[in-house]
This record gives sequence, C-alpha cells and structure tokens, in this order.
Amino acid sequence: EVQLLDSGGGLVQPGGSLRLSCAASGFTFRNYAMSWVRQAPGKGLEWVSAISGSGDSTYYADSVKGRFTISRDNSNNTLYLQMNSLRAEDTAVYYCARSTCGGDCFHLVYWGQGTLVTVSS
Amino acid sequence: DIQMTQSPSSLSAAVGDRVTITCQASHDISNHLNWYQQKAGRAPNLLIYDASNLEAGVPPRFSGSGSGTAFSLTIRGLQPEDIATYYCQQYENVPITFGQGTRLDSK
Repeated sequence: EVQLLDSGGGLVQPGGSLRLSCAASGFTFRNYAMSWVRQAPGKGLEWVSAISGSGDSTYYADSVKGRFTISRDNSNNTLYLQMNSLRAEDTAVYYCARSTCGGDCFHLVYWGQGTLVTVSS
Repeated sequence: DIQMTQSPSSLSAAVGDRVTITCQASHDISNHLNWYQQKAGRAPNLLIYDASNLEAGVPPRFSGSGSGTAFSLTIRGLQPEDIATYYCQQYENVPITFGQGTRLDSK
C-alpha cells in the first residue's frame, strides 16, 4: 500500500525557516516524480514544487523560487522541502504528492495527509 | 503562466442530478488536464487524467471531456458522497496551475 507521511510543519516567525519531510513507503520511491502542493486556510490548491525521480530536475512556482528548495533522498525514501525567508502568505497546509512516472508528469495520484505551516509573529 | 478558470464557483444539486463543471484554460493545453475531488479536511483525490480518462477505482458516473482550452467534468446521478470541492489542473507547462475550485453542495 502506498503511503506518504508529511511532517515538519509548525509555527514560525516571518523570515524564518522550516524543513518539511515526506516519508514514502509501499512503492519504489526513486521511480516516481514527487510534488509539494499547498492550500492556504479556506483557499484553493497551489502547486509549489516538483522533483524528478532521479532528483536531477526540479521545478518551482514563481511565488517560492529562490526561497524554497525541493530535494529527495532516494536511499531513505524521503522527500524534503526546505523553506527559507518565510512570509505570512506561505501559511498553508502543505501536501506531498506522488506522480505516475519518474519524469515530467504531474498526475498527482497519491497524497500525504498534509502538514500545517503557520508563519506569524 | 497558464490561467485556469472554473465555473461555477459553487453550485447546489440534489441526489440523482446531473452536474457539469467547466474549466477554461488561458492557452491551448491539448488534453493535459486533470480533475481532482477534495472532501472537507482531506487531501485531494485524482478523478480524471488526460482530460477524459477515469482513474482506477473512480465510479463511472464521473466523466471528463474537452481539449485545447475548454474542458468539463460531469457527474451523472449525483450521490451524497460526491459532495466536495472539485479542481481542474493543467500540466502543459510549468508552473502547474489549478483552477480556483468548484464547491458542490447538497440541495
């Protein structure tokens, strides 16, 4: 059974940093691209970032480019999102999601349960 | 960036109704469109991929159509468990973009 377990959220001050993790199980992690998608309270879905199965290719939304870094550890089946220079508008539930292939595909077929990031002083 | 516009933003329907949600892309995205269902407090769930293909395990009352810039999601015979918010998503270009969502309520 495919499982994605998001963690690392919490309360952080503006300008601070946080690292989210997504522990994957039930599939061959390195074979699949992964994404982060966020949802501000009461709002819609916003794609944040994606990484290919090998980790060689990464993609970012303009709103986080230069502040967030996506990475993965294929030996430990874990996806990460390093978030720096956090702003109030980054407050959201962050979901990791798995694609259906290892390259440029964005059919997000499996999702984690989400982890809440709150940026506030 | 490719903008995705859904309509309506919300609607109410009765059990058994046929419901149609539309999604308009600001540029031609071929069939590079997915539909997701999100129930309150839950992660989204992929319903339709490549505009018209039903994801495994999704009931056949759901269907998708369209290509280019105009797309639709139809639910034939609405069930109580279909009450949710629905999102379209384009993957023609990065950044990937979602529609603003359509909230479906029970009449």
